[in-house]
Amino acid sequence: DAGITQSPRYKITETGRQVTLMCHQTWSHSYMFWYRQDLGHGLRLIYYSAAADITDKGEVPDGYVVSRSKTENFPLTLESATRSQTSVYFCASSESPRAGVETQYFGPGTRLLVL
Amino acid sequence: AQKITQTQPGMFVQEKEAVTLDCTYDTSDPSYGLFWYKQPSSGEMIFLIYQGSYDQQNATEGRYSLNFQKARKSANLVISASQLGDSAMYFCAMSLPRTSYDKVIFGPGTSLSVIP
Repeated sequence: DAGITQSPRYKITETGRQVTLMCHQTWSHSYMFWYRQDLGHGLRLIYYSAAADITDKGEVPDGYVVSRSKTENFPLTLESATRSQTSVYFCASSESPRAGVETQYFGPGTRLLVL
Repeated sequence: AQKITQTQPGMFVQEKEAVTLDCTYDTSDPSYGLFWYKQPSSGEMIFLIYQGSYDQQNATEGRYSLNFQKARKSANLVISASQLGDSAMYFCAMSLPRTSYDKVIFGPGTSLSVIP
């Protein structure tokens, strides 16, 4: 049971390039989330998805695009990478939109460096 | 403003001792949830414990307990009998119900080091 996986785990890119981070979950959870983690900020929500073809902006969506054509996949694209997007990116999934006992399960993270 | 504050950037504790990690929160929502996550050096986020704003009793999960003081808006994590494997970053988080999903806000984290 793989759970939730992210690829690549590490990525170095250059300013202006397009980068796509992949997220795949095997639980058939309806809800999926993308966070970025920066020192001093904890995790901040970029985008979330309630189901296939349903996505919405989180706290810091600028410069990012998401899609969800299949329930199990939720790719995050940086259309034109900037240095400020250097961060660790976490994907998460949940059975319920109500965070509580039914918590969000996190992937292992992708470390992205934009030069 | 909705915010999570963790005032201890780093903490040290002797193995087998108890340690308290501080967390204060700010929200005007009457309904919310409070979480703690552990992030070891390998990077994954591990859920530890949850407390609902209407829960009367403090949450406990094994060696973890959440000291919930609603009037003071604090949700401190207590780890009893620390182990070397407890060395990690710890994040306090708050969930706030919204129309379509629960908004989750994370604090900046506390780095815990357990000393043999």
